Amino acid sequence: NAGVTQTPKFRVLKTGQSMTLLCAQDMNHEYMYWYRQDPGMGLRLIHYSVGEGTTAKGEVPDGYNVSRLKKQNFLLGLESAAPSQTSVYFCASSEPWGGEDGYTFGSGTRLTVV
Amino acid sequence: GQNIDQPTEMTATEGAIVQINCTYQTSGFNGLFWYQQHAGEAPTFLSYNVLDGLEEKGRFSSFLSRSKGYSYLLLKELQMKDSASYLCAVRDRARLNSNYQLIWGAGTKLIIKP
Repeated sequence: NAGVTQTPKFRVLKTGQSMTLLCAQDMNHEYMYWYRQDPGMGLRLIHYSVGEGTTAKGEVPDGYNVSRLKKQNFLLGLESAAPSQTSVYFCASSEPWGGEDGYTFGSGTRLTVV
Repeated sequence: GQNIDQPTEMTATEGAIVQINCTYQTSGFNGLFWYQQHAGEAPTFLSYNVLDGLEEKGRFSSFLSRSKGYSYLLLKELQMKDSASYLCAVRDRARLNSNYQLIWGAGTKLIIKP
């Protein structure tokens, strides 16, 4: 039972490069989320999806795009990376907004933009 | 506005008891979550409270007072492996579109000493 699988675990990008973070869940959750976590701050929601084919902006969506073509997958794209996007990124899935069992998170991607 | 406050860091002794507090201000409270996050790892769900009172799960308990905007996580019989950050998150009904959102505290780093 894999839960939420997130790749890659680490990545270094040069300013202006692009990349896609992959997230897959086998928990049959409708809701999926992308967060970033920076020192001294709470998790900040980038984008989320309430079902296959739907996406919505979160708290800090600028510079990111997402797609949810299949229920189990949620992709996060950076079109032109900037040093301000250096962060740890977490994907998560859950019953609507955590239900009663909370979020299940992927293992995270540590991204450095130089 | 919406805000969550937790102490930044706490220290406790192995075998002892520690209480981690969380205070919040929200407009449409709909549940509170506690997560544990070990360094370099993803957050993992610990507990959920939506009604006032104490929820007990083994060595961990979580308390909620909605009228006071207050929760605490109580850890008993502390073990070295409990050294981690503890995140408080509140589910709040957003005003604009009647949707929900999760508001995250910055986390409390708990250091356990022998």
